[in-house]
Amino acid sequence: SQQGEEDPQALSIQEGENATMNCSYKTSINNLQWYRQNSGRGLVHLILIRSNEREKHSGRLRVTLDTSKKSSSLLITASRAADTASYFCAANTNAGKSTFGDGTTLTVKP
Amino acid sequence: DTAVSQTPKYLVTQMGNDKSIKCEQNLGHDTMYWYKQDSKKFLKIMFSYNNKELIINETVPNRFSPKSPDKAHLNLHINSLELGDSAVYFCASSQPRGTGLSPNEQFFGPGTRLTVL
Repeated sequence: SQQGEEDPQALSIQEGENATMNCSYKTSINNLQWYRQNSGRGLVHLILIRSNEREKHSGRLRVTLDTSKKSSSLLITASRAADTASYFCAANTNAGKSTFGDGTTLTVKP
Repeated sequence: DTAVSQTPKYLVTQMGNDKSIKCEQNLGHDTMYWYKQDSKKFLKIMFSYNNKELIINETVPNRFSPKSPDKAHLNLHINSLELGDSAVYFCASSQPRGTGLSPNEQFFGPGTRLTVL
């Protein structure tokens, strides 16, 4: 299995609901990042959490990191139709390697 | 101004041909990457260059040869294209954090969709 696995693979919710995505990784990291990808586009950085941090917020995004379990979660609160996209985590090592998860496809229905 | 640009956006070619994809960043970053995203959206790092030096080479066939003429450019040349090379190729750049090589936010280009017939 790939490092940086994510679940669920697909998530469908109604506008206004919260969306939670999880990510697991296998090696020691310097930081973990979350990215968003709209269909047919490049990835856009959302948020970075360092290995010595446990939680971070940015607007409607909340990221947690548990280095003992090698896992992270991304919570999007009060989702909007415009949040529909694929979301990827990226585990980054001190050596500069960036390993992306398999991604979660989020659909927010109006 | 586009931060990370790639050309071409689409590339359709026959098996066995040789092709190149170009990438340029105007962000002043030291590190550039090439990623391959397959039809299932799995994104995998291929190469990483820091200040024109190769630092990551992820078991990519030697038909793929990256070239970094300066730290603002990282081009990808592919020899003897195969059907399995069909994918979207993304270039990205970032500035390492602190004294190590771990990336900060990566800025991605729009991608090059390669189709090998």
